[in-house]
Amino acid sequence: LAKTTQPISMDSYEGQEVNITCSHNNIATNDYITWYQQFPSQGPRFIIQGYKTKVTNEVASLFIPADRKSSTLSLPRVSLSDTAVYYCLVGEFYGGSQGNLIFGKGTKLSVKP
Amino acid sequence: DAGVTQSPTHLIKTRGQQVTLRCSPKSGHDTVSWYQQALGQGPQFIFQYYEEEERQRGNFPDRFSGHQFPNYSSELNVNALLLGDSALYLCASSSRLEGVYEQYFGPGTRLTVT
Repeated sequence: LAKTTQPISMDSYEGQEVNITCSHNNIATNDYITWYQQFPSQGPRFIIQGYKTKVTNEVASLFIPADRKSSTLSLPRVSLSDTAVYYCLVGEFYGGSQGNLIFGKGTKLSVKP
Repeated sequence: DAGVTQSPTHLIKTRGQQVTLRCSPKSGHDTVSWYQQALGQGPQFIFQYYEEEERQRGNFPDRFSGHQFPNYSSELNVNALLLGDSALYLCASSSRLEGVYEQYFGPGTRLTVT
C-alpha cells in the first residue's frame, strides 16, 4: 500500500473552504484514494473516494491531478461540527478486494467561530 | 437499519487477564475487520474475517485472536493483557458486493488495562 503524507493540523474559521492535501508519490495503478473523518471517541466515517480527476458528493470534493501523486480533499463552507481528524488512505479499494485500511496520523482540523 | 454495533462500550481489566469484545456488522455485510486505536494515533489493522475465517492479519501478536459466526458477527479476544493494550478497539464491516469499498465503523470499545 502506498504511503501517504498529510499535514498534522490545520485551522480554519466557520464559513471558509478548507483544502487538505495528501501526498502519495508511490501510488499504484490499481490504487484508489479514500478519505475518512473521525470525531473524538467515535469510529472513522467514510467521506469520499476517487481514482482520478474530480469526485463530488454532498459532503466534499476530491481533486486528483493527472499524475495521481497527490490529492486534495475540499470541504466547502466548514462549520464547527467539521472539527475532526481527516485521514487520507490509498489502496486497492474496490468491492472485491477487501484490503485492510492503513491509517496514518491524519490531519486534525480545528474550525473556529 | 442498524449500523455496526459493538459491546461493551467501556471495559476495565487487570494485567494478565483475558477480554472478549463483540461486534455485529451492518445488515447485508459479510466481512468484519478489527482495528486498535491508541490515543492520538490512527487506527491500526488487527485482522479481517470473511466466511468465518481470518483472511488478513496485521502486525499483532498471537495474543490477539478472533472469530466470526455464521450470522457474520465477530469477536475479538485478547489474552494476557498488557498495559499497552489499553486503546479504543474498532470493528468495521464491509461487503464484497459493493463497488465502492467502504468500511463502516462501529463506535468502538474503550479498553483500559490497569
